[in-house]
Amino acid sequence: KQEVTQIPAALSVPEGENLVLNCSFTDSAIYNLQWFRQDPGKGLTSLLLIQSSQREQTSGRLNASLDKSSGRSTLYIAASQPGDSATYLCAVNQAGTALIFGKGTTLSVSS
Amino acid sequence: NAGVTQTPKFQVLKTGQSMTLQCAQDMNHNSMYWYRQDPGMGLRLIYYSASEGTTDKGEVPNGYNVSRLNKREFSLRLESAAPSQTSVYFCASRGLLRDSPPTQHFGDGTRLSIL
Repeated sequence: KQEVTQIPAALSVPEGENLVLNCSFTDSAIYNLQWFRQDPGKGLTSLLLIQSSQREQTSGRLNASLDKSSGRSTLYIAASQPGDSATYLCAVNQAGTALIFGKGTTLSVSS
Repeated sequence: NAGVTQTPKFQVLKTGQSMTLQCAQDMNHNSMYWYRQDPGMGLRLIYYSASEGTTDKGEVPNGYNVSRLNKREFSLRLESAAPSQTSVYFCASRGLLRDSPPTQHFGDGTRLSIL
């Protein structure tokens, strides 16, 4: 059974720091991996999707990498801002159907 | 473009009552999903529908039923609500895997409390 783990569970940093969120998964047979952002009381917003054949994807200050063979993905956030404070969720699409989610990393960026 | 719309946004029920959560998408997506989100458990799949006319169980289907009414709408029904079903429910949709990118789009959620 696929399991997705995110470390750390919570992270607090001062504004301007570069940071890395980690995601690991137990079964490397995935179609893609997706990173989401969730603000308190809100739904999920897709940030980046990496196909199984890709190594990384970039959007603005965000960069996500995928090492399928080792079962790892990282989300790199450059020059963090207070507006980046949210919970970040990693999810893998294994069978082409639904997503399997990690429990998330809650990020707090202080000004 | 509304995306994925869920109704209601909030609901309080008594144990044993029934209700239906509604979900509609306007992106012409084939696949639709229902997840529940609980503290410390993350999001877990309840049911999904890969295409109009088909539905399949996910990880936690007990106590729920679903209907894929048409391509746009996918409803989730609680026949006899239990306190363990207190949760935040999210509906999502996705186009074909060959779409670029095949992203899942989520609604804003229904916050359900069962007393």
